[in-house]
Parts: sequence; structure tokens; C-alpha cells
Amino acid sequence: GQQVQQSPASLVLQEGENAELQCNFSSTATQLQWFYQSPGGSLVSLLSNPSGTKHTGRLTSTTVTKERRSSLHISSSQTTDSGTYLCAIDNNRIFFGDGTQLVVKP
Amino acid sequence: GALVYQYPRRTICKSGTSMRMECQAVGFQATSVAWYRQSPQKTFELIALSTVNSAIKYEQNFTQEKFPISHPNLSFSSMTVLNAYLEDRGLYLCGAIQGSEQYFGPGTRLTVL
Repeated sequence: GQQVQQSPASLVLQEGENAELQCNFSSTATQLQWFYQSPGGSLVSLLSNPSGTKHTGRLTSTTVTKERRSSLHISSSQTTDSGTYLCAIDNNRIFFGDGTQLVVKP
Repeated sequence: GALVYQYPRRTICKSGTSMRMECQAVGFQATSVAWYRQSPQKTFELIALSTVNSAIKYEQNFTQEKFPISHPNLSFSSMTVLNAYLEDRGLYLCGAIQGSEQYFGPGTRLTVL
């Protein structure tokens, strides 16, 4: 079965609204990362968060390791936040989720 | 800082021909390099993990005969897509690994005509 599942598959917001992205994983993970994939395809690492809560700018990630889930909260979304957000776990090899496609409308 | 370059960034090849792509680690030593493919509308799949001075481990559905990899030193790896067909199109990403960190390149986007 799929190791990493993300929800929702897509999300449409008005600028200024908050976004909540979910990631569930089926095996233990020594590392969990959230990535942003630009429309051109490049991956940008947003946060590494194997457990607990981490903040950077408008992003907050909370990972509950024993429940095998992580969330990424984007506050005050902007149109430039549009793109695909990928969750990946490292369990001796990296497994990526299918991603959440975020569209932020002006 | 740790940087990973991939070349070319975009390429087009005719069906049945081959395409070589490169991955360069700058500023650190990549003891292992992982190659991934993101097919259209799909997420990234691991193709193979290459470790210097060790055998290359290919994932299910990917073979050395189709995706030969060279990893001659701690800063460079290349992978060739042999006999490319439509199903091989997508974004090929390399992840250069140092210790517990994996640094990703920008990818090579392959279009097959």
C-alpha cells in the first residue's frame, strides 16, 4: 500500500485565507519533510519536522509521530503560495505522497 | 552551502532513442545518490539508489538495463534512459545524500516524441 497519503488532493482558497494540509504515513519515519514543488517542477524544502511543532514564516508544521501524521498550516495565504505541496518520509529510503495542489485566488 | 545541479534541465528525445542526464553535488560529498522520476500526474518514484564503491540498488519496475547509472566519485552521478518511450517522460530528480541529509537538484524534464 501507499506509504504516504496526503489530503486534500486539491485546495482552492481566496488570498488571505489559511490552508491546512494533512499527511498520514503508514510506517515509522526517522525524518519527515514538507516540500513545495513549483510549477516548473523544482522541489523546495520547506520544513523538516520528524516530531513536534516547527515554524518558519507563515508555515507551521505539527507532527505527531506515534499517530503517524503531520500537518502543514499556511497562514494568510498569498497567490504566490499556489503550487503543489509534497510530504515525504525517510524510512531508510524516501517515500513521497501524491501532494496537495493549492490554488490561491486573488 | 550544499547545492545540487542537474543537466540538462529540459530535453526532448525521439521515441526509441536514449538520453543521458547528470547530477553534480557542489560543496559537499555525496556518498549516495538517489534518482527519482515523477511521471505526469504522479508523485516521485525512486528509481535507484547508488552508493560509491557499492552495488546500485534498483527499485521494482526499474532495471539497470533500462536506466544504467554511473557514480564515479563523490560529486557526480549520471543516469541514462535507454530506448525511451512515451511512458518514460517526466521529471527526473536526483537526491545527493550526505549522512542523514538528502539535497535535491532541480530536475531534468524529459519529453519523448
